[in-house]
Amino acid sequence: QKEVEQNSGPLSVPEGAIASLNCTYSDRGSQSFFWYRQYSGKSPELIMFIYSNGDKEDGRFTAQLNKASQYVSLLIRDSQPSDSATYLCAVNAASKIIFGSGTRLSIRP
Amino acid sequence: SAVISQKPSRDICQRGTSLTIQCQVDSQVTMMFWYRQQPGQSLTLIATANQGSEATYESGFVIDKFPISRPNLTFSTLTVSNMSPEDSSIYLCSVVGTSGSSDTQYFGPGTRLTVL
Repeated sequence: QKEVEQNSGPLSVPEGAIASLNCTYSDRGSQSFFWYRQYSGKSPELIMFIYSNGDKEDGRFTAQLNKASQYVSLLIRDSQPSDSATYLCAVNAASKIIFGSGTRLSIRP
Repeated sequence: SAVISQKPSRDICQRGTSLTIQCQVDSQVTMMFWYRQQPGQSLTLIATANQGSEATYESGFVIDKFPISRPNLTFSTLTVSNMSPEDSSIYLCSVVGTSGSSDTQYFGPGTRLTVL
């Protein structure tokens, strides 16, 4: 079992809708969870981090964490074409950050 | 967040040669890492660059192939030795910085390496 799992996509969402990206992780001791956005040909850019169970909102982005279910998600409201990118989930485990394989998101006009 | 620069941004190299990639950070950081991202793949941690001691390599990566230097808290180099086409990848330097009260990880712009 991979340590951090994501659906590779592509996930296609119409402009203005909510995009929902999901991630599961295997290490129950993980304490920190991150979402990165990566445009093609660019390096990953941190967009959200979350440490506590529940929701954390930042603008159009909401990260959700459920440690009991070992599940973290990212919601993007009012999706824009500029949100089209690969979204990487990352988990801090044993002092290292482990990345998922990423979900490719496409926002269609 | 820390500002990270890498040189070169890209290079095309011949099989059997070596390339050294530089990573410079605008502030002192304790934790510095090197990652590889092969085409269409996610990030794979190569090693943790330790200041004043040998780097800590992940499974599947060895010092002879990827020697790393970390002479101070703002600079590191990664060398890709005896290159083959399988080494074609993006190589990323990353540091741990503090955002608010929490540690988060930031990435440099990457070095795109093509081996012919």
